[in-house]
Amino acid sequence: GAVVSQHPSWVICKSGTSVKIECRSLDFQATTMFWYRQFPKQSLMLMATSNEGSKATYEQGVEKDKFLINHASLTLSTLTVTSAHPEDSSFYICSARLQPNTGELFFGEGSRLTVL
Amino acid sequence: AQSVTQPDIHITVSEGASLELRCNYSYGATPYLFWYVQSPGQGLQLLLKYFSGDTLVQGIKGFEAEFKRSQSSFNLRKPSVHWSDAAEYFCAVGPFSTGGYNKLIFGAGTRLAVHP
Repeated sequence: GAVVSQHPSWVICKSGTSVKIECRSLDFQATTMFWYRQFPKQSLMLMATSNEGSKATYEQGVEKDKFLINHASLTLSTLTVTSAHPEDSSFYICSARLQPNTGELFFGEGSRLTVL
Repeated sequence: AQSVTQPDIHITVSEGASLELRCNYSYGATPYLFWYVQSPGQGLQLLLKYFSGDTLVQGIKGFEAEFKRSQSSFNLRKPSVHWSDAAEYFCAVGPFSTGGYNKLIFGAGTRLAVHP
């Protein structure tokens, strides 16, 4: 099956710094990737849709200047949490779909961000 | 409004017992339905999906789910649970098109514990 990989799996940073999380499709090309945020013991919340070669589409209430998304290639999307604060601490998960769309989303392993 | 409800936040079953996880949805059009499983600290893995046709769908790891339009439900079942099935289970609903993108709406999740 299609494999999506995230890096890093864990990251701890100081408040005010920026953190970049990478999402890679290892064995397929992904024109569209999705970034989700998951709070402890809660469901996934779609943050934004990352489109290769164009601007990301953000969900309502998600600060685009806080969560910068770049989808520079067909296999890589990055999420940068800028000027991170403790309330940004969360589990971030990316997903991607095949082209043509089979309906299935393939999820990365997730990245746990802790902001001190 | 589109939504997914998983009424059971936490379920505990004995190993070898049968399992049913409930999922109800509210969706304006014909829904496409999914069940995902998440192990602690991991991403999500697709168990099964329903797009059309036979309302009883088979998935991986011995799971099945039945779509009941009249009840707006898509309950997940397994006849005999194994200790390795302990995880978080998410029901999701969304649109699907070959050219579109998968903006899935997730339920809150059901945490399954398995007693030996």
